Amino acid sequence: NAGVTQTPKFRVLKTGQSMTLLCAQDMNHEYMYWYRQDPGMGLRLIHYSVGEGTTAKGEVPDGYNVSRLKKQNFLLGLESAAPSQTSVYFCATHPLAGLFDTQYFGPGTRLTVL
Amino acid sequence: AQSVAQPEDQVNVAEGNPLTVKCTYSVSGNPYLFWYVQYPNRGLQFLLKYITGDNLVKGSYGFEAEFNKSQTSFHLKKPSALVSDSALYFCAVRDGTGFQKLVFGTGTRLLVSP
Repeated sequence: NAGVTQTPKFRVLKTGQSMTLLCAQDMNHEYMYWYRQDPGMGLRLIHYSVGEGTTAKGEVPDGYNVSRLKKQNFLLGLESAAPSQTSVYFCATHPLAGLFDTQYFGPGTRLTVL
Repeated sequence: AQSVAQPEDQVNVAEGNPLTVKCTYSVSGNPYLFWYVQYPNRGLQFLLKYITGDNLVKGSYGFEAEFNKSQTSFHLKKPSALVSDSALYFCAVRDGTGFQKLVFGTGTRLLVSP
């Protein structure tokens, strides 16, 4: 039982390059989230999904796209990376049944855009 | 809209002394409050939550938090700090809608000195 995993752990991009971050979970959770963490700003929600095939915008969605083709995977894409997207990205999951339960976080992906 | 404030960027305490990490919140309805801890280069880990009931909530690693509705606060406490408690602590409040979306504070770094 791996919980929530994120791939890759680290990545350096040049401005304008694209990449996809993968979040995978083996807990059969319905809800999945992508956050970014920046110093002094806490965690901000980028996009989220309430189930397979669904996605929705969070607080800071610009410059990102997501897909949830399979229940266990939530992909975060950067089509044309910008230095402002340098951040640590966290995926989190949450079960449908436990509305007051905690979110379960992955270990994070540290992205640097030069 | 809901919000969370953590007024201290850093809290310093000597090992063995009691610690308090402050959190105040603003929501339109009933607050559902959470504390998470983040160790270096790791994802967030759940510590404790307040949903309803007793205002004093006990959580992992000897931490507890006191919910105060009149002061709209949810301060994290521990009677005797350990050096290993040094980490980044986040307070979060759940959105009052039916969707489990958390809003995080900016985080407080706790430094426990030997």
